[in-house]
Amino acid sequence: EDQVTQSPEALRLQEGESSSLNCSYTVSGLRGLFWYRQDPGKGPEFLFTLYSAGEEKEKERLKATLTKKESFLHITAPKPEDSATYLCAVQAYGGTSYGKLTFGQGTILTVHP
Amino acid sequence: DGGITQSPKYLFRKEGQNVTLSCEQNLNHDAMYWYRQDPGQGLRLIYYSQIVNDFQKGDIAEGYSVSREKKESFPLTVTSAQKNPTAFYLCASSMDRRVSNQPQHFGDGTRLSIL
Repeated sequence: EDQVTQSPEALRLQEGESSSLNCSYTVSGLRGLFWYRQDPGKGPEFLFTLYSAGEEKEKERLKATLTKKESFLHITAPKPEDSATYLCAVQAYGGTSYGKLTFGQGTILTVHP
Repeated sequence: DGGITQSPKYLFRKEGQNVTLSCEQNLNHDAMYWYRQDPGQGLRLIYYSQIVNDFQKGDIAEGYSVSREKKESFPLTVTSAQKNPTAFYLCASSMDRRVSNQPQHFGDGTRLSIL
């Protein structure tokens, strides 16, 4: 069974204080790993897809990396507007291959000015 | 603007009542999904549909039903058989899975509560 565990559950940072969020996964065969940002009362907003170990992607202050067992979302010099819940999900190769995503429980990031 | 529209934003259900959540997309996506989100838990898949007139159960389909009569629409009915319906319901869509592992894009959800 595919599993995704995110840590920490919550992270409080001061503006400008860089840090990383972790996503550990167990999957039979990784088809893709996805990062989303979710604001309160809203749907998840797509950020990145990573397909293979060693891959990195960047968007503004965010950088996502992938190994064979985990992914990191690095936040450089965060601003208060980066406060949100960050979700990680994996898509596995499987018999049905219907695109199912298995989500972690998310990391709640709060950036104080 | 292309996107996914969910309605209503808030919904209240009386005991024994069926309620239907609407999901419409204008992204020309083939696949559509329904997820349930509970506090402190990851999103869980209820139903999904890859093409019109076809849909499959996800991990927690009991007490729910769907239809896919049009490519753009994928309504979810929460039946009286669902004993714990209070949750945030999210609809998503993605391009044909056979093209590549495209990301799923989400609507802004419907929050369902019991009266």
